[in-house]
Amino acid sequence: SQQGEEDPQALSIQEGENATMNCSYKTSINNLQWYRQNSGRGLVHLILIRSNEREKHSGRLRVTLDTSKKSSSLLITASRAADTASYFCATRKGSGGGADGLTFGKGTHLIIQP
Amino acid sequence: DTAVSQTPKYLVTQMGNDKSIKCEQNLGHDTMYWYKQDSKKFLKIMFSYNNKELIINETVPNRFSPKSPDKAHLNLHINSLELGDSAVYFCASSQSGVAGQPQHFGDGTRLSIL
Repeated sequence: SQQGEEDPQALSIQEGENATMNCSYKTSINNLQWYRQNSGRGLVHLILIRSNEREKHSGRLRVTLDTSKKSSSLLITASRAADTASYFCATRKGSGGGADGLTFGKGTHLIIQP
Repeated sequence: DTAVSQTPKYLVTQMGNDKSIKCEQNLGHDTMYWYKQDSKKFLKIMFSYNNKELIINETVPNRFSPKSPDKAHLNLHINSLELGDSAVYFCASSQSGVAGQPQHFGDGTRLSIL
């Protein structure tokens, strides 16, 4: 089964509006991360929320985590054209700081209409 | 300066050939990764490696092999390329020892098998 599934798969909004993306996961986690991928580029880390946190802010980003529902949401406020990208949530199989990789969801493709 | 760099950016080759993709990071990280992103943008961990251990995703065919000449490099060798190997391959790095360290990604190598 796949860890980390985002919805919606695609989202198109007007510039200035808020965009909300959701992520669900299946196993226990220590933390959950969100990444952005611009077209033709690698992933860029946006924000990390730990399992004992419920909400975290960074600039125009707000992330929530509900461990009882195994879900997280990413809110981008006052969207800009430059926010057009794919957004992925990611979790990690291991519980420590070891060398295991991230498990990504399928991503939400966000389009900001000017 | 580019933190994680991959070469080549594009690779077009015939089925059955053997090819290598190079990755270098200048972040001083001790752990490096290879991910595969398919045509539907689904990202999957292939390998993670530091100077202590190599963790291989069990679904990766043994035609794929990572080779690390030193801590700053993790190259990916692929033997007997198949049509299904067409994808974008991303290298990433992070620092182990602390759970939740973000991963830094290269811009990917787009592999097309003819």
